Amino acid sequence: AQKVTQAQTEISVVEKEDVTLDCVYETRDTTYYLFWYKQPPSGELVFLIRRNSFDEQNEISGRYSWNFQKSTSSFNFTITASQVVDSAVYFCALSGHSGYSTLTFGKGTMLLVSP
Amino acid sequence: GAVVSQHPSWVICKSGTSVKIECRSLDFQATTMFWYRQFPKQSLMLMATSNEGSKATYEQGVEKDKFLINHASLTLSTLTVTSAHPEDSSFYICSARDSVPGREETQYFGPGTRLLVL
Repeated sequence: AQKVTQAQTEISVVEKEDVTLDCVYETRDTTYYLFWYKQPPSGELVFLIRRNSFDEQNEISGRYSWNFQKSTSSFNFTITASQVVDSAVYFCALSGHSGYSTLTFGKGTMLLVSP
Repeated sequence: GAVVSQHPSWVICKSGTSVKIECRSLDFQATTMFWYRQFPKQSLMLMATSNEGSKATYEQGVEKDKFLINHASLTLSTLTVTSAHPEDSSFYICSARDSVPGREETQYFGPGTRLLVL
């Protein structure tokens, strides 16, 4: 069975601070995908990143960066110089490789960035 | 690219009526679409997987006769909540999985539909 744990329920930071959202996963699959989605107050889930289990390179996209460590089964997400618009719930998710795979979501981390 | 629309965004209905929610992939073909339900301050709960041209696969505990799913084309799936009751009030979100090489396994989500049953 697959499992995704986001231990941080809520995080509050002040604008311009850096913040890291933790994600730990469990799976027996050798090939799998990891995702991060952002859910702002409007409700729509916005796709942020997909990472294949064979690709352990860290990725940076603007103020966003992701640290994938297979050895610790973690896929952490860092926002640098946070902004008020980053306030949202962030979900980490895991899926297998087959065409029948479904997404297993973590419980989400609510990030509140205050001015 | 990879835009998914959902209609309606809000619906209020009386108990006992049926409500249909549409999910469309606008710029890609989706052989598989998914329907989720989300309660306030909780994660997404998968209700069913919808494959084009075949019957949907429902998750355990989801009543297939209550939540009718139709995936008639590669860009459209519908969820009908039949004989809705107040406990069906929730946020329903669909997603569509892209089949383009390099984007496989990625689900793109619609904006969701808030259902309130009075």
